[in-house]
Amino acid sequence: EAAVTQSPRNKVTVTGGNVTLSCRQTNSHNYMYWYRQDTGHGLRLIHYSYGAGNLQIGDVPDGYKATRTTQEDFFLLLELASPSQTSLYFCASSPGTGGVEQYFGPGTRLTVL
Amino acid sequence: GEKVEQHESTLSVREGDSAVINCTYTDTASSYFPWYKQEAGKSLHFVIDIRSNVDRKQSQRLIVLLDKKAKRFSLHITATQPEDSAIYFCAASRQPGTGSNRLTFGKGTKFSLIP
Repeated sequence: EAAVTQSPRNKVTVTGGNVTLSCRQTNSHNYMYWYRQDTGHGLRLIHYSYGAGNLQIGDVPDGYKATRTTQEDFFLLLELASPSQTSLYFCASSPGTGGVEQYFGPGTRLTVL
Repeated sequence: GEKVEQHESTLSVREGDSAVINCTYTDTASSYFPWYKQEAGKSLHFVIDIRSNVDRKQSQRLIVLLDKKAKRFSLHITATQPEDSAIYFCAASRQPGTGSNRLTFGKGTKFSLIP
């Protein structure tokens, strides 16, 4: 089974703070995704990538940067965190060609005070 | 862009009864429709999907129906059991396995059994 890990699992920061969320997958999947989950909005795509060095914009990218340094690692950066970014963040991966199921990490709960 | 509307925000049935969760989508080019399940306090995992070349798919007690003309698809859970209680998300995608491979999710349906 695909393994996707996220760190940290919980994070509290202040408005204007700098936060990096990390995601690693160990199944050589091509695609990786960052989502946020909020009550009343479901799951919304922030950024995604189909390989190292590649970045694609999702549906709610404002205030977020992302970087895919290797096939395994995908980072989400909040350079000036705001309370509106308080959310539950999920990373996911999928094989891409030949496989479409997305495998989700355990999530990171971020609170911006 | 694609919009996916999930019609039931909450749904409750008695154990053993069937349940139906309905979703509609806007993009006529969407061709892949998966469902994901999120149990309380946990992450999401895939449960079943359907592609636009078929109108029905079954996996054990789960049935997915697709009506392309109406741009509607639904998840039927038969003979419901306590382990079915969860939030269910529908999603849609244009080109699974190629291109962007991205999903647009509905807002989720919180499904539970009536005690």
